Formats: sequence, C-alpha cells, structure tokens
Amino acid sequence: AQSVAQPEDQVNVAEGNPLTVKCTYSVSGNPYLFWYVQYPNRGLQFLLKYITGDNLVKGSYGFEAEFNKSQTSFHLKKPSALVSDSALYFCAVRDNNAGNMLTFGGGTRLMVKP
Amino acid sequence: NAGVTQTPKFRILKIGQSMTLQCTQDMNHNYMYWYRQDPGMGLKLIYYSVGAGITDKGEVPNGYNVSRSTTEDFPLRLELAAPSQTSVYFCASSYSRATNEKLFFGSGTQLSVL
Repeated sequence: AQSVAQPEDQVNVAEGNPLTVKCTYSVSGNPYLFWYVQYPNRGLQFLLKYITGDNLVKGSYGFEAEFNKSQTSFHLKKPSALVSDSALYFCAVRDNNAGNMLTFGGGTRLMVKP
Repeated sequence: NAGVTQTPKFRILKIGQSMTLQCTQDMNHNYMYWYRQDPGMGLKLIYYSVGAGITDKGEVPNGYNVSRSTTEDFPLRLELAAPSQTSVYFCASSYSRATNEKLFFGSGTQLSVL
C-alpha cells in the first residue's frame, strides 16, 4: 500500500530565510507526487507535482520540490520565505498500481516569523 | 467560475441527528471526492464518484452515504451522527483520474457532533 510521511508537525523559519518542508513516500509502482497548500479556512490548493523528468520541480508562489528516488523523498523548498507563506502544507502520492487514488500525508504547519 | 462550492461552512449536530453536506462544481469534472481532515492525520477519502450515477467507497466510508444524480452535484449524507464524525469535510473534483491530474477543493465544512 502507498503511504506518505511528513515527519515535522511544524516548521518555523524567519522571513527571508530558506525553508524546507520534508516528505517521504512509499509506493509499489512509479510515484506521482504532489504538494498542496491550505490557508486558514480555505480548501487545499495545488502547488506543484512530479510525474517524470527533471528531479527539481518548480511550482506556484516561488516554491520548488526535489524528487530523490534513492531516498524516496520529495521535499518542498523555497529560497526566501515570506510571512504570507505561513500555512498548512500537504504532500500526496498517487501510485498507478493503487487505483490512482491520492494518499495524503498528515500535513506540516509552516510558520514564517517577521 | 466558482469552482467547487460546499455548504454549509459550519454545523453543530447532536448525536443521532442526520444531515447532508452539499457539494457542487461548475467545471464539468467527471470525478468528485469527499475527504475528511482530522488533525495530524491528513485527508482520508470517504467516497468518490467517477461520473453521474456511479459512486464507490474510499478508505473510511462507514457512517456516510453519497449519491451522484448529476455531473455537478455530489452530496454527502450522515444518517446517525456520532462524535467520531467530528471533522472538517472537503469536497474535491478533477477532470480525470489520471496519475498527473490535480484536484480542486472546496473551502470545507467544519462539523461538530456533540
């Protein structure tokens, strides 16, 4: 069965510093990986996805994520954090051997302090 | 273009009461989903539908029912509310269930069962 782990419940970073939100996954087939962001009182919004190709994926709002097959990781990164980046971030994986259903991680709250 | 619309935004139920969470989308998407979000647990799939007249169980279907009479609407029914159903519920839709397809989410319904 496919699974996703986000090992940090919360990540704190100062504005202007780089940020990383960690995600590791487990699938039996080829992984299709996604990051979603949830702002307060809103639904999840798509940030970026990895399907195939370049291991560094660029997405919305200056975010990027690095796919590492050997470490089964898909960490979300941004070179310079903004206070407005403070939100709940979810990593998700879709396994083409598991009916194409998305499995979500538990979420990581990102707090960016001025 | 409203996207995915959920009503109500908040609801408090007494144990044993019933209610229907409404979800409608105006993107002509074939696939629709209901998730529940519990703190630290990510999103769990309750039910999904691949088109009008077709529904199927997800990971946590017990205590819920759905119907899909039109492409646009996908209501979720709680027949006998229990405290374990206290959660935030999200409806989502997608054009297909392809591995690279992203989901569009509604803004959620916060439900408390007391």
